Amino acid sequence: SQQGEEDPQALSIQEGENATMNCSYKTSINNLQWYRQNSGRGLVHLILIRSNEREKHSGRLRVTLDTSKKSSSLLITASRAADTASYFCATDGRANFGNEKLTFGTGTRLTIIP
Amino acid sequence: DVKVTQSSRYLVKRTGEKVFLECVQDMDHENMFWYRQDPGLGLRLIYFSYDVKMKEKGDIPEGYSVSREKKERFSLILESASTNQTSMYLCASSFWWTSITEQGVPNQPQHFGDGTRLSIL
Repeated sequence: SQQGEEDPQALSIQEGENATMNCSYKTSINNLQWYRQNSGRGLVHLILIRSNEREKHSGRLRVTLDTSKKSSSLLITASRAADTASYFCATDGRANFGNEKLTFGTGTRLTIIP
Repeated sequence: DVKVTQSSRYLVKRTGEKVFLECVQDMDHENMFWYRQDPGLGLRLIYFSYDVKMKEKGDIPEGYSVSREKKERFSLILESASTNQTSMYLCASSFWWTSITEQGVPNQPQHFGDGTRLSIL
């Protein structure tokens, strides 16, 4: 079963607006990661947040983590056309400690309208 | 910058053929992974390897095997290709977390190749 599931499946916004994507997961984690995938390309790592962190920033990205609700959100501020991509969360599952597997969700398809 | 190179971007093969997908990374990563990506199903792990000659099954290993003879190279083998193996295949690599002394967190970020879109006719 999927460890991480993103919501919404698809999102279209105007350039300059903020985009928020959510991820829910089922079991305890060591960390949670967000990745971006441009059409026809591989995934690119964006940000990693540890289970003992609540919020993390990287440029226009802001990630929050609520371990009590087993959920995370990715906020992209002041969106640009180049942000058009699919975004995936990935979790490791604390039971997998030392077993370097990630489980990816099915992704949110973000479209930025110029 | 980390570079993960997959040998082919597009590949067309016939059912029953033995197919080899090659992946090479240049960052001395211990871990290497093979995923397949299908619409609506996200990424699913086929096999991974944490050291030379070591391998572990992922979530969907049936119909596949792997080979890791050198640290930088991880090969995915479709023993007898079938049409349901038509997919996008992604290779990734990462550091084993204990080799990153300043991070100290398991499951380091994975670095991906650009994928091989494989069609089995």
